[in-house]
Amino acid sequence: AQKVTQAQTEISVVEKEDVTLDCVYETRDTTYYLFWYKQPPSGELVFLIRRNSFDEQNEISGRYSWNFQKSTSSFNFTITASQVVDSAVYFCALSEASSGTYKYIFGTGTRLKVLA
Amino acid sequence: DGGITQSPKYLFRKEGQNVTLSCEQNLNHDAMYWYRQDPGQGLRLIYYSQIVNDFQKGDIAEGYSVSREKKESFPLTVTSAQKNPTAFYLCASSPNLYYEQYFGPGTRLTVT
Repeated sequence: AQKVTQAQTEISVVEKEDVTLDCVYETRDTTYYLFWYKQPPSGELVFLIRRNSFDEQNEISGRYSWNFQKSTSSFNFTITASQVVDSAVYFCALSEASSGTYKYIFGTGTRLKVLA
Repeated sequence: DGGITQSPKYLFRKEGQNVTLSCEQNLNHDAMYWYRQDPGQGLRLIYYSQIVNDFQKGDIAEGYSVSREKKESFPLTVTSAQKNPTAFYLCASSPNLYYEQYFGPGTRLTVT
């Protein structure tokens, strides 16, 4: 069965601390995509990154970095030197491309609070 | 300026009334989606559409209906059959069913 687990319901950090948001997924497909989205207090989800199952290279974009490890079925997201504007709910998601049926699964989200 | 628009931002209705939520996109995306989000919860898929004139039920379609007569538009009707309609509704679109989705600002529906 397909599943995305974000075990951290809420994390609080002080500004400038680094923080890692965990995402563990389950899938039987060999072709799949993983995503991270940010939902600020305004409510609109914003797409951050997509990785496909054949590309395990880590990615860095400014203060954001992502660590994809197929061996542990994890796709973790690290924010370096966090800022108050990073406060939001972050969702990890999984889509499967080879099963023939539509599957796009969101995790339950991790609420990040960055305190000034 | 490409994106997704949802209107209105806040909507209030009396119980027993049908209400239609608007969603328009100018990203030229084939796929569109409707999600429901309850306070402190994740997203639940109501309906999705891969192409014009075709749509499929998601995980919680009961009490909702959609149409996809134009590529740009995917309105959602919340019918009186939906038992707990008060929620935050998000519309999204994507180039295909498997890639990243782009979301609108959402409509917060309150039914009393």
